[in-house]
Amino acid sequence: EADIYQTPRYLVIGTGKKITLECSQTMGHDKMYWYQQDPGMELHLIHYSYGVNSTEKGDLSSESTVSRIRTEHFPLTLESARPSHTSQYLCASSALLGAGGLSYNEQFFGPGTRLTVL
Amino acid sequence: AQTVTQSQPEMSVQEAETVTLSCTYDTSESDYYLFWYKQPPSRQMILVIRQEAYKQQNATENRFSVNFQKAAKSFSLKISDSQLGDAAMYFCAYRRYSGGGADGLTFGKGTHLIIQP
Repeated sequence: EADIYQTPRYLVIGTGKKITLECSQTMGHDKMYWYQQDPGMELHLIHYSYGVNSTEKGDLSSESTVSRIRTEHFPLTLESARPSHTSQYLCASSALLGAGGLSYNEQFFGPGTRLTVL
Repeated sequence: AQTVTQSQPEMSVQEAETVTLSCTYDTSESDYYLFWYKQPPSRQMILVIRQEAYKQQNATENRFSVNFQKAAKSFSLKISDSQLGDAAMYFCAYRRYSGGGADGLTFGKGTHLIIQP
């Protein structure tokens, strides 16, 4: 079944640790995104990718980094976690126009990773 | 920069009744897309309805419909015959038309919808 997956779903970690949040999609989408959802529920785009080897920063500045080595995989890394990084992180994907007739302007979201940094 | 404003942090409606969630946005673009997303307590974001700015006809999806007023930059969501499963956070979102670019969504702060049995 085509879907978008995020692991772990929940992560509690101490300050200074390096963490990687995983995101994978099986829909063959070229475009992928990371959003940060703060405790007040507002979502902000922090990273996006047009395709393999493409990464761009989003509207909200973030200390995290991303990579896109494979189409289906878009991991997010924090080199040194801090309490200010505590948030929900949502991954999404969408298809390019003309890619087999898929709609390119709808984003599909993963279930999210709830990160708590102590 | 585009902004999306949802002025109702929380709304409550009786089951089977109709409720309207408000959304306004600001943009200098003429072509764009507007969306309503639903985020239930399980927290996976689900698309409810989409509207292309160039279309004058309001989008409808079963019990969900929008009132799109382009000149007023208003995009409200009407939920008819509310059901308990409609309880969730509802986010209004904007995406510019970028001809295939990977621009992300700009979200409002959300409206928490409560369904009273």
